[in-house]
Amino acid sequence: AQKVTQAQTEISVVEKEDVTLDCVYETRDTTYYLFWYKQPPSGELVFLIRRNSFDEQNEISGRYSWNFQKSTSSFNFTITASQVVDSAVYFCALRPTGANNLFFGTGTRLTVIP
Amino acid sequence: EADIYQTPRYLVIGTGKKITLECSQTMGHDKMYWYQQDPGMELHLIHYSYGVNSTEKGDLSSESTVSRIRTEHFPLTLESARPSHTSQYLCASSVRAGRYNEQFFGPGTRLTVL
Repeated sequence: AQKVTQAQTEISVVEKEDVTLDCVYETRDTTYYLFWYKQPPSGELVFLIRRNSFDEQNEISGRYSWNFQKSTSSFNFTITASQVVDSAVYFCALRPTGANNLFFGTGTRLTVIP
Repeated sequence: EADIYQTPRYLVIGTGKKITLECSQTMGHDKMYWYQQDPGMELHLIHYSYGVNSTEKGDLSSESTVSRIRTEHFPLTLESARPSHTSQYLCASSVRAGRYNEQFFGPGTRLTVL
């Protein structure tokens, strides 16, 4: 069975603070892919990053960074120096190799207060 | 940047009406998907297609139907809408080949059935 857990339902931070969004996944597949998407108030899902199960190297892209730890089945997302425009719902997703679809977590609503 | 379009963005209709939600993509992607997202909830796959004349049901049972007559077009139809169909419907597409096969999403259709 595939499952993605985002335990933080809502987070509020003050602008310029750092914030980490947690993602824990479960899968019996040995190869899989992990994704983060952002859903702003307008409703569309914006692709942010992908990671495959063979690559545990952390990644940084501007103010965004991702920490993938296979030993704890976690794929956490950190925003440094948060901005109001970062306010959105963030979804973590899992796709086992060969699966047709993405398995999404329930999302974390991030509110950045000016 | 993904070019995937959904119309209408918002739809309020009465019970028993037949509706079609449109989804088009201009990226030449073979795979297309429909997800259903209730407020504050994760996305669930309801339909997908590998290409023209290919349609399959997803993990979440749905009374809707889909068709794929053209590569770029993947409409979803509800023959008789009910209040239980009230939800947001998100269309996505991805390339058939490729390692990661990340999905690109449209802006969604927010459906309300009275």
